[in-house]
Amino acid sequence: AQTVTQSQPEMSVQEAETVTLSCTYDTSENNYYLFWYKQPPSRQMILVIRQEAYKQQNATENRFSVNFQKAAKSFSLKISDSQLGDTAMYFCAFMGLNYGGSQGNLIFGKGTKLSVKP
Amino acid sequence: NAGVMQNPRHLVRRRGQEARLRCSPMKGHSHVYWYRQLPEEGLKFMVYLQKENIIDESGMPKERFSAEFPKEGPSILRIQQVVRGDSAAYFCASSQTIGIYGYTFGSGTRLTVV
Repeated sequence: AQTVTQSQPEMSVQEAETVTLSCTYDTSENNYYLFWYKQPPSRQMILVIRQEAYKQQNATENRFSVNFQKAAKSFSLKISDSQLGDTAMYFCAFMGLNYGGSQGNLIFGKGTKLSVKP
Repeated sequence: NAGVMQNPRHLVRRRGQEARLRCSPMKGHSHVYWYRQLPEEGLKFMVYLQKENIIDESGMPKERFSAEFPKEGPSILRIQQVVRGDSAAYFCASSQTIGIYGYTFGSGTRLTVV
């Protein structure tokens, strides 16, 4: 079964600095997608960034980028120029496409609580 | 486009009562997923539905829980005879196809069983 591990329960960063959140996963599949979701205090789950496993190039969305290491099964999120509005829980998620009826189901890590300090 | 609408936002039920959680997907989205989030945990998959069909319910408890997504109207997650352990936030997500581009999530329903 696939698992997603986020080893940092909490992190903090000063405003305008850079922070990296780690995520590792375990799967025997070769075809899958990886996501980072943000959950602010409002509880809304917001998609931050996605990565297709067959693409070697790391995904980037404005201040957010990933370091995807397929062999190591690692998928870290880098937030540059941190802003107060980045304060939230961040969840790493895996979606496999080869496993029968479980196509499209997201498997989430337990999350990292990020605090951006002024 | 109003996004994924879930209601109620908060629901309080006494042990033994029924809870009905509603989810209206984004316009044009025919795939609906329900997830449950316990305190200090990530979201856990419960059930995947397309219009009038349950595609995968492997994450849903066999007893007391049911879900539907009728041809007309919202998707409903129904919990019968609620117990304290059912207290959680329940999220609905929708997509046009299998969500390889990521889902749009609703704001969740927080169920509290007293």
